[in-house]
Amino acid sequence: EAGVAQSPRYKIIEKRQSVAFWCNPISGHATLYWYQQILGQGPKLLIQFQNNGVVDDSQLPKDRFSAERLKGVDSTLKIQPAKLEDSAVYLCASSERTSGYNEQFFGPGTRLTVL
Amino acid sequence: AQSVTQLGSHVSVSEGALVLLRCNYSSSVPPYLFWYVQYPNQGLQLLLKYTSAATLVKGINGFEAEFKKSETSFHLTKPSAHMSDAAEYFCAVKSGNTGKLIFGQGTTLQVKP
Repeated sequence: EAGVAQSPRYKIIEKRQSVAFWCNPISGHATLYWYQQILGQGPKLLIQFQNNGVVDDSQLPKDRFSAERLKGVDSTLKIQPAKLEDSAVYLCASSERTSGYNEQFFGPGTRLTVL
Repeated sequence: AQSVTQLGSHVSVSEGALVLLRCNYSSSVPPYLFWYVQYPNQGLQLLLKYTSAATLVKGINGFEAEFKKSETSFHLTKPSAHMSDAAEYFCAVKSGNTGKLIFGQGTTLQVKP
């Protein structure tokens, strides 16, 4: 079974530039999560999709971050314009459902450096 | 609101020694608890999860954790550390009905030869 795929793995940009990350979840997983992991901290949820609808985006900085999950499969997370404090690893995860003890499967992450 | 606190950002043990990584949780409802491991430049991998079927949970790679409601703890242990156990370990609690995870700040495990 293929895991969660993310690209690119690494990205370096200047502040005020824009950047986009892509995630392909495990086939059949209805729920998709984007987490931000700042160095030395645990991952923090940015946005959660159930199929192609948003379940939780309460911690997404909506003035600069946007995300979409067209057709309920792949997802894209965008930052425009980027700030220095956006330097982090962006992790995508997916799960079959949200109830019970469902396991979230994580991709390898995209490491973003904003200069 | 649910939260987790991991005591000790860095733990160093000798190869073959006991590993103990501490996690305390806060939850107003019976918690769903998890331990994840993250190797350098990789995503998170599930080690084990508390399912309420048993208070002692066994996971992969010889790790286990004990749920203690009276102490609101879910500490991770391994009887004998191996060099390959060196990694970042995260305790997490499931929040509400949406399925999102609230993570602790992580504990870096160093294993010395």
